[in-house]
Amino acid sequence: KNQVEQSPQSLIILEGKNCTLQCNYTVSPFSNLRWYKQDTGRGPVSLTIMTFSENTKSNGRYTATLDADTKQSSLHITASQLSDSASYICVVYSSGTYKYIFGTGTRLKVLA
Amino acid sequence: GAGVSQSPSNKVTEKGKDVELRCDPISGHTALYWYRQSLGQGLEFLIYFQGNSAPDKSGLPSDRFSAERTGGSVSTLTIQRTQQEDSAVYLCASSLGQPRSYEQYFGPGTRLTVT
Repeated sequence: KNQVEQSPQSLIILEGKNCTLQCNYTVSPFSNLRWYKQDTGRGPVSLTIMTFSENTKSNGRYTATLDADTKQSSLHITASQLSDSASYICVVYSSGTYKYIFGTGTRLKVLA
Repeated sequence: GAGVSQSPSNKVTEKGKDVELRCDPISGHTALYWYRQSLGQGLEFLIYFQGNSAPDKSGLPSDRFSAERTGGSVSTLTIQRTQQEDSAVYLCASSLGQPRSYEQYFGPGTRLTVT
């Protein structure tokens, strides 16, 4: 069954600290993996997109990694800011079903 | 430019009533998606429109749900005889083309509460 699992479910960190969010997937065949940021009451906004051949991709303070062999991805946030408080969603696109498979997200709270 | 817009932003309805949710995609985007996001759950695919092709309705949970896209632009999601389990945030997204190659842009969602 195509699934995307994220951990931790929630996370609280102090402003300025780094954190890493995890995503494991069983989607096959794999096409690409995206990380989205969803602020409360808003729609998700794309942070990064990675294809099979890409191992790492950065977007400002956000760095995503992908290990296609172990089917794992991570999102590392450097020097966190209060505005990073949001849900982070891992999404895998399956070229077999032509659908996006969404994880349940990690809810991050950054405290001053 | 303008992003994806949805209306209403919030809708409270009584069980058994019909509701219509509207999505205005980004101009020129040929693909349009509807998702449902329940509390603590991941986004659940409902329906996908691509250009003039027949829509992919495989995610609609029951025959009470239907959607149409008029003129390749605005889309309406209709839920008939609403049930309490229909309470969720309904998100619309659009993209320039095929989902494999193009980014999805999401609207702010419509929060539906069925009492």
